[in-house]
Amino acid sequence: GAVVSQHPSWVICKSGTSVKIECRSLDFQATTMFWYRQFPKQSLMLMATSNEGSKATYEQGVEKDKFLINHASLTLSTLTVTSAHPEDSSFYICSARTGYTGELFFGEGSRLTVL
Amino acid sequence: QQQVKQSPQSLIVQKGGISIINCAYENTAFDYFPWYQQFPGKGPALLIAIRPDVSEKKEGRFTISFNKSAKQFSLHIMDSQPGDSATYFCAASKGDFNKFYFGSGTKLNVKP
Repeated sequence: GAVVSQHPSWVICKSGTSVKIECRSLDFQATTMFWYRQFPKQSLMLMATSNEGSKATYEQGVEKDKFLINHASLTLSTLTVTSAHPEDSSFYICSARTGYTGELFFGEGSRLTVL
Repeated sequence: QQQVKQSPQSLIVQKGGISIINCAYENTAFDYFPWYQQFPGKGPALLIAIRPDVSEKKEGRFTISFNKSAKQFSLHIMDSQPGDSATYFCAASKGDFNKFYFGSGTKLNVKP
């Protein structure tokens, strides 16, 4: 199947700093990418949907200024957690959709720990 | 309001047994129903998916059964193996695939 690469897998940062997570579709063009947040033993919470070249659509309750999403190309989307705080510590997962088939492929996830 | 309801929350099955996970949905506009498998510390991986024009889809040991009138679908894992131990999520999407609604997940433990 299609491959989605997410980097970094683990990141530890100090409170108040910003962290960028990259999501790349390696062997297909992703017209739409999704960013999720997953708490321990819980389901995936959709944070935002990003389409190449346009602004991301955020879900209700997700702070746009804290979680900056940029979908610069058909193979790259980035999530920047700005001024991170301990409550932002979580597992962040991106996914990409292939064209119009609907199949959703996920990255490996990024574990963020804010000290 | 949860769009997709999944049960059970956890499941213990002996090696060689059948694992069954159920999901129910309300929105009749959904027409794509995938199942994802997630191992600890990893992102989910697409396992198998079905559209409502068929009642069953089988891929190896994994089968989706779909009941359109009841608005339910289920995942059956035949001859369950310890390597199948993971968390399984069902999901649903409309035809535009712009949003996927996930179930709450089922943690499967297959005992050797």
